Amino acid sequence: NAGVMQNPRHLVRRRGQEARLRCSPMKGHSHVYWYRQLPEEGLKFMVYLQKENIIDESGMPKERFSAEFPKEGPSILRIQQVVRGDSAAYFCASSPLTGANVLTFGAGSRLTVL
Amino acid sequence: GIQVEQSPPDLILQEGANSTLRCNFSDSVNNLQWFHQNPWGQLINLFYIPSGTKQNGRLSATTVATERYSLLYISSSQTTDSGVYFCAVVSGAGSYQLTFGKGTKLSVIP
Repeated sequence: NAGVMQNPRHLVRRRGQEARLRCSPMKGHSHVYWYRQLPEEGLKFMVYLQKENIIDESGMPKERFSAEFPKEGPSILRIQQVVRGDSAAYFCASSPLTGANVLTFGAGSRLTVL
Repeated sequence: GIQVEQSPPDLILQEGANSTLRCNFSDSVNNLQWFHQNPWGQLINLFYIPSGTKQNGRLSATTVATERYSLLYISSSQTTDSGVYFCAVVSGAGSYQLTFGKGTKLSVIP
């Protein structure tokens, strides 16, 4: 079992460009969560998705950020028109069930905005 | 929302020493996990421990849910234990959002 796979591991973008981060959950997991870690801070919840459904996006900024988890393929976190404040590590986690379950995290994608 | 406080914020240990990291939380929880973020940034599950005690090698954890705290014990520390240790909780029926503490940064020196 390859675990939660995230790519790219590192991404550099200039202000105004788009960033796309991908996450493939563990085999058998149908629930995906995205968290953001700003420098020197703990992780903060952004969005929770199941296949073809956004369950909770309450932690995601209202503008420029979007997420999807299509029927086929990985979950995508998309950031349009990136700004320097978007520089962070973005972690994806997956679980087999919702609620109080163990989340397994990927290695993260580190976005640097120049 | 629930508050999660970890202490100490920073800890320096000589290799071979033991340590205790603490996590206090402000409300009842139905999920508590300890994570280790290594110097390369990877986040590794250590324990799922909403209550009780668990051990895994040199690491053990205890959560006293009624008193709203959890402890992570590291014995005979090694340089590879260096990194940041996070406690994260889920509170509320049907909830799934992990709330993370700010972490304890551990440096183990040879």
